Amino acid sequence: NAGVMQNPRHLVRRRGQEARLRCSPMKGHSHVYWYRQLPEEGLKFMVYLQKENIIDESGMPKERFSAEFPKEGPSILRIQQVVRGDSAAYFCASSPGQGGWAEAFFGQGTRLTVV
Amino acid sequence: QQQVKQSPQSLIVQKGGISIINCAYENTAFDYFPWYQQFPGKGPALLIAIRPDVSEKKEGRFTISFNKSAKQFSLHIMDSQPGDSATYFCAAYTGGGNKLTFGTGTQLKVEL
Repeated sequence: NAGVMQNPRHLVRRRGQEARLRCSPMKGHSHVYWYRQLPEEGLKFMVYLQKENIIDESGMPKERFSAEFPKEGPSILRIQQVVRGDSAAYFCASSPGQGGWAEAFFGQGTRLTVV
Repeated sequence: QQQVKQSPQSLIVQKGGISIINCAYENTAFDYFPWYQQFPGKGPALLIAIRPDVSEKKEGRFTISFNKSAKQFSLHIMDSQPGDSATYFCAAYTGGGNKLTFGTGTQLKVEL
């Protein structure tokens, strides 16, 4: 949905580099969810954040991955020392409140390719 | 227990036909069941959703059928059109939780 802005749309990184993915939620939304979609697979939950807080990071790999949602600015998903297996589409969704999936929208995703 | 199983993986339907996609779940705490439509290069978009207190919900050509005892729900697309060609995901959510759990997706192709 055009209301949730993700950038960049496409990102190419060499193995070992860092990838930073940005997500600006819809106006009025203070909850952000990050999902990863591997080819031919569904979307897998990674992390759920509110402003300045990580609420649930149970789907996030323990190493190399981190996420933040500062008081000002977009939410950032950061992948350090990328490997080929990190190649995927990363989507964020935003909602006005916790569990507000009926009012949630997804962005168009960032397609990360690790070469 | 958090899984949502979806079938078929792919589906080809003739224009004007009925497309049927099925999902099954184990976690009886799930209380919200949406379907998402995703076109290539786009993010998933909410299509229709149902809560377990009803057995069917219809919006235009799209209908969700819900069988609580069997823990199954399905999406029916009536009078399927080429513009419906997309990937469809079922999902489920627990009101006390945070995340939406997705099925693996069905690639629908509607042929002329």
